[in-house]
Amino acid sequence: SQQGEEDPQALSIQEGENATMNCSYKTSINNLQWYRQNSGRGLVHLILIRSNEREKHSGRLRVTLDTSKKSSSLLITASRAADTASYFCATDANTGTASKLTFGTGTRLQVTL
Amino acid sequence: DSGVTQTPKHLITATGQRVTLRCSPRSGDLSVYWYQQSLDQGLQFLIHYYNGEERAKGNILERFSAQQFPDLHSELNLSSLELGDSALYFCASSVGTFPGELFFGEGSRLTVL
Repeated sequence: SQQGEEDPQALSIQEGENATMNCSYKTSINNLQWYRQNSGRGLVHLILIRSNEREKHSGRLRVTLDTSKKSSSLLITASRAADTASYFCATDANTGTASKLTFGTGTRLQVTL
Repeated sequence: DSGVTQTPKHLITATGQRVTLRCSPRSGDLSVYWYQQSLDQGLQFLIHYYNGEERAKGNILERFSAQQFPDLHSELNLSSLELGDSALYFCASSVGTFPGELFFGEGSRLTVL
């Protein structure tokens, strides 16, 4: 089962524009992460935000977290064609002895020239 | 390069057969996670091992089994294969038991004919 759901499922923008994708999740979390996946390749970690943080930046990435609404957003500013990929949020469900990361359904981002 | 190595990259086999997927984690990482990615199910957590011990189990079928060896490499065994088992199987590693950043391999693409 998916813990998180990204919205929109697909997003197409032009180079230079900003891209915003959202993630909603169901249960309490310790942290939330965003990953990027180029077509058919392995996932690459982008950023981690802890449950007690509200906003985090990394280069052109800005992530916000609203635990009261169980939602997060990823903003990519000044997008480039190379940003074309699928983006997934991932949350950890603390089972007591170990955690597992549960991934959302992903947003496919297409950045055109 | 994430430092996580998965073999084989591609595998084509027939229904009813058995295959073994292999994963070598990043140097120093004690945790290995297995995920299955298919078009209809998204990225599904299968199982987590830490330093040779099973720590968390997800949606792993009884026909599937995994283990982590003393040298920390891991194998995922898939038996009595069905058409629906066709998917990308990812291995990821991390340092500790509670996932911070996961480092993903490039995946093993399994096609069952």
